[in-house]
Amino acid sequence: DAGVTQSPTHLIKTRGQQVTLRCSPKSGHDTVSWYQQALGQGPQFIFQYYEEEERQRGNFPDRFSGHQFPNYSSELNVNALLLGDSALYLCASSFMEGGDPSTDTQYFGPGTRLTVL
Amino acid sequence: AQSVTQLGSHVSVSEGALVLLRCNYSSSVPPYLFWYVQYPNQGLQLLLKYTSAATLVKGINGFEAEFKKSETSFHLTKPSAHMSDAAEYFCAVSAPPVGSYIPTFGRGTSLIVHP
Repeated sequence: DAGVTQSPTHLIKTRGQQVTLRCSPKSGHDTVSWYQQALGQGPQFIFQYYEEEERQRGNFPDRFSGHQFPNYSSELNVNALLLGDSALYLCASSFMEGGDPSTDTQYFGPGTRLTVL
Repeated sequence: AQSVTQLGSHVSVSEGALVLLRCNYSSSVPPYLFWYVQYPNQGLQLLLKYTSAATLVKGINGFEAEFKKSETSFHLTKPSAHMSDAAEYFCAVSAPPVGSYIPTFGRGTSLIVHP
């Protein structure tokens, strides 16, 4: 059973450019969440996608956008990159079984390391 | 609103010694609580979770945590540290309103294990 996969592993961009990160959820999961983890910090929630729509959003500017596809995979897009966007971007997938919130646990991928120069 | 405070950015123990990583939470409703581990250059791996069943939760790799409502704590312990336990540990809290189960993470505690 494949876990959460992310691509690419590493990425280097320059200020002002745009980037797209990709995520495939764990088999059987229908919800995808994205997090930004700056060096030495815990993950910060960006947004969550369910049924191809953004269900919740954290405190991130609209330069950060996303998409979920019918196969539940997801993309994170960041426009007009800033130096401060350099971080590890984590994707997590989950599934709430029978509407029971106790089953809604997020499983994380290995992340994409984005460096903005 | 929910939040997590992890006491101590670094904890150093000798191999074979007790591991204790501290986590205090704040939540206006009964929370779900999690511990994740992150090895260098990797994503987060779930160690254990508390979802209002037994207050003592056993996880993988010999770790366990006890939910103490009166102390708003969820400390992580392991009786005997192993070199392979060296990693970053994150405590997280998740609490509804309905439909909102997004975990809020602490800043992490780096566990250092000395031979």
